[in-house]
Amino acid sequence: DVKVTQSSRYLVKRTGEKVFLECVQDMDHENMFWYRQDPGLGLRLIYFSYDVKMKEKGDIPEGYSVSREKKERFSLILESASTNQTSMYLCASSFLGKGKSNQPQHFGDGTRLSIL
Amino acid sequence: KQEVTQIPAALSVPEGENLVLNCSFTDSAIYNLQWFRQDPGKGLTSLLLIQSSQREQTSGRLNASLDKSSGRSTLYIAASQPGDSATYLCAVKAESTSYDKVIFGPGTSLSVIP
Repeated sequence: DVKVTQSSRYLVKRTGEKVFLECVQDMDHENMFWYRQDPGLGLRLIYFSYDVKMKEKGDIPEGYSVSREKKERFSLILESASTNQTSMYLCASSFLGKGKSNQPQHFGDGTRLSIL
Repeated sequence: KQEVTQIPAALSVPEGENLVLNCSFTDSAIYNLQWFRQDPGKGLTSLLLIQSSQREQTSGRLNASLDKSSGRSTLYIAASQPGDSATYLCAVKAESTSYDKVIFGPGTSLSVIP
């Protein structure tokens, strides 16, 4: 079974802090994604990566950055946390498209982040 | 721009009933459609993935259908159980994208009453 592991289930940080959310997958997937989920807004893509050191902006990248130094690990960074970044953050992974693109995305259990 | 909607937003049924969840998308040029389940405070679990060339997929008590031309998919749950209570989301992958970006619907919150 595919395992996507997010380092924290719950996290509380203060405004202005630099926050790191970590995600690790064990299935050698090329694609990795970071979403945030908010009531009434659904899931929104922040960033994704299709290879090591490669990254692409999603729909709402402002205030975030990412790092993919190893294939299995994708980190989301809040450069200077703000209260409007309080949310549920979900990481996902999948095989690369173009031939493998009918593979499903696999999700971690999420990190509920509160910025005070 | 692809938009995905799900009706109803919430549904409550007695245990044992068969039920149908609906998903609609505005652009029929999709590569596949996926149904997920999300339990409260948890991540998403993939239930079924239908390729654009397929009409339906089945897994146990779940059956998902796809009508690309009309922009609709349904998730049929037979003989519902309290353990089926969760939020169900559909997601579509556009034909035109070269990467695995998907667009999610807002979800249907299902409660199965014992």
